[in-house]
Amino acid sequence: IAGITQAPTSQILAAGRRMTLRCTQDMRHNAMYWYRQDLGLGLRLIHYSNTAGTTGKGEVPDGYSVSRANTDDFPLTLASAVPSQTSVYFCASSDGNAYTEAFFGQGTRLTVV
Amino acid sequence: GQNIDQPTEMTATEGAIVQINCTYQTSGFNGLFWYQQHAGEAPTFLSYNVLDGLEEKGRFSSFLSRSKGYSYLLLKELQMKDSASYLCAVPDSNYQLIWGAGTKLIIKP
Repeated sequence: IAGITQAPTSQILAAGRRMTLRCTQDMRHNAMYWYRQDLGLGLRLIHYSNTAGTTGKGEVPDGYSVSRANTDDFPLTLASAVPSQTSVYFCASSDGNAYTEAFFGQGTRLTVV
Repeated sequence: GQNIDQPTEMTATEGAIVQINCTYQTSGFNGLFWYQQHAGEAPTFLSYNVLDGLEEKGRFSSFLSRSKGYSYLLLKELQMKDSASYLCAVPDSNYQLIWGAGTKLIIKP
């Protein structure tokens, strides 16, 4: 693994189902983030973690949860998917806070039907 | 509140110069980022400006005016591979990035 990896790359999910998007980084970065990107809108922060063991809510946290049990992994869970959660999800990490360069995973394209 | 504005789309010719503008409103200021995002790919870092003025990195330069809440990204000697979206972002009061919607740059031969 080099950098930050997301899985799956894409997924079609039935409404009401539970889904976990995986994110792993090998750069030993303290901070990790989950964004969603929708056409015509900027990246919107869902949840973040400044260091292992802590998490925080971003701009659009409803319907999503995260955990940060260790430095490398930052999974995002949709407890009961709804069509409005159809989006491209990006995980990112940075060696510090919002003032440092963020490195992004390749994204997960999620379609909720 | 926080707000970032960028043009939605711009078109330029291969070999030419293009300037992509970004205006922002923040309660405090802690720098401004530019990222490049090719279609279907992840954003990648281009620049981070904290002080006023122009910073040059090869064909790409980024300018900041804190008093005007304004930045631009200048791309010279445009190449077809520069066709991408360019995203402007600033940290908010909670130390998280607020992103503009991005400017889609189309390069024509």
